Order: sequence, then C-alpha cells, then structure tokens
Amino acid sequence: GAVVSQHPSRVICKSGTSVKIECRSLDFQATTMFWYRQFPKQSLMLMATSNEGSKATYEQGVEKDKFLINHASLTLSTLTVTSAHPEDSSFYICSATTSGDGLTDTQYFGPGTRLTVL
Amino acid sequence: AQSVTQLDSQVPVFEEAPVELRCNYSSSVSVYLFWYVQYPNQGLQLLLKYLSGSTLVKGINGFEAEFNKSQTSFHLRKPSVHISDTAEYFCAVNLKAAGNKLTFGGGTRVLVKP
Repeated sequence: GAVVSQHPSRVICKSGTSVKIECRSLDFQATTMFWYRQFPKQSLMLMATSNEGSKATYEQGVEKDKFLINHASLTLSTLTVTSAHPEDSSFYICSATTSGDGLTDTQYFGPGTRLTVL
Repeated sequence: AQSVTQLDSQVPVFEEAPVELRCNYSSSVSVYLFWYVQYPNQGLQLLLKYLSGSTLVKGINGFEAEFNKSQTSFHLRKPSVHISDTAEYFCAVNLKAAGNKLTFGGGTRVLVKP
C-alpha cells in the first residue's frame, strides 16, 4: 500500500518551454502533497505544500509563478515548471500523506522526475 | 527552527560488517523522526520511524534506530550489510506542532564493498 507514482520519470525540454509533472497516489487518498527539489549529491529541499482544493503554500525563495502547483483531486497533484531554463534542471520528487491524525502521518514518496532543460 | 545533522556524508563499509549512520537534530519541541533510503535515480523509501513509545525502532531490511532524547539523536544501525544496501540514507524530522513538514539531513552515502 501507499504507492505514489510520478510521470514522466525523465523529461528533456528546450529553454523557454513549460513542463508539467504529475504526482499520483495510487491506493490512498492524499489530502496533502509535497513537492521537493534535489540537486545532485544534495538533500531534498521542500518547494511547496499543497492541500486538495486549496492553493499551495510555497517555501521561502520559491517562485510561485514559476512553479505552478495544482492539487485538483485527492489522488493527483501537478507541478508545472513555466518557461524553464537550464538552472531549473533538477530531480523533482513529490510525496503524499493520508488524512486522519495529521501529526503522525508519514510521507510516501514518488520515484522522482529528472528534468533537463537544454 | 529545527535542523537535522547527519555527521557522515559518506560511509564505506565491507559486506557483512555492521554500520551505524549518525543523526542529530535540534528542536525545542517534540518531534517525530524518520529514516529514508534512496537508491540511485529513485525516490525515497521509508526505512523506519519513531513517533512514540519504545525508543528502539525496527524497520525494513534489518535496519533499526534508537531515539535518544537527552542526546537528541536518532542513529541508524544494521548489524550486517549487503551489497544491496549501497544507497543514500536520509534522516528527517517532523515537528509535532507543524503538521507534516519534514526537515531532512544532508544525507549519508553508504558504499558497501565486497
């Protein structure tokens, strides 16, 4: 149980284009999803938290107009990198938590999406 | 604000030898503690977690960790490693009063040698 998928697993795009990454919880309802960014040989940096049906909460320093997050249903959240540039190249990972006792819920992570902007 | 420190960025270890990965955190409030493993080009997989109760927590793949409140530590151990344990390991903290947000340590790369 608690499987999270991401699509695509890998994407290469030209500078200036937009890229959408999907994050799905396959066997549970995810009231909260998180988006992380990971640079090579570094830890995960939280970008934003999204709750189903409401606007995402972005961490300090993350441009909300550049990284658009939509959490339209209890099983799907999307991250759109708008007008991507080479410095946006990174490994993007999502995670999801179930509802219930929100203080003890565990984050279940997707397999990640590697974005390369040429 | 809380922080998580993984003291070793890289740990080489021979197959079948024991390994300990150190994790210390700083927080003025109660926390939940997690260890995740990341294999190359993959997402994170939960190894184990401490929420409350017994301070010795057993996880998957033969790993265990001990919560030490006085030393604010949550070190991860395995008595005998396999080649397949080669991966990056992340310690993470979740403030009890801050919902589900996780703060991650810098990671420890374990390289198991034959």
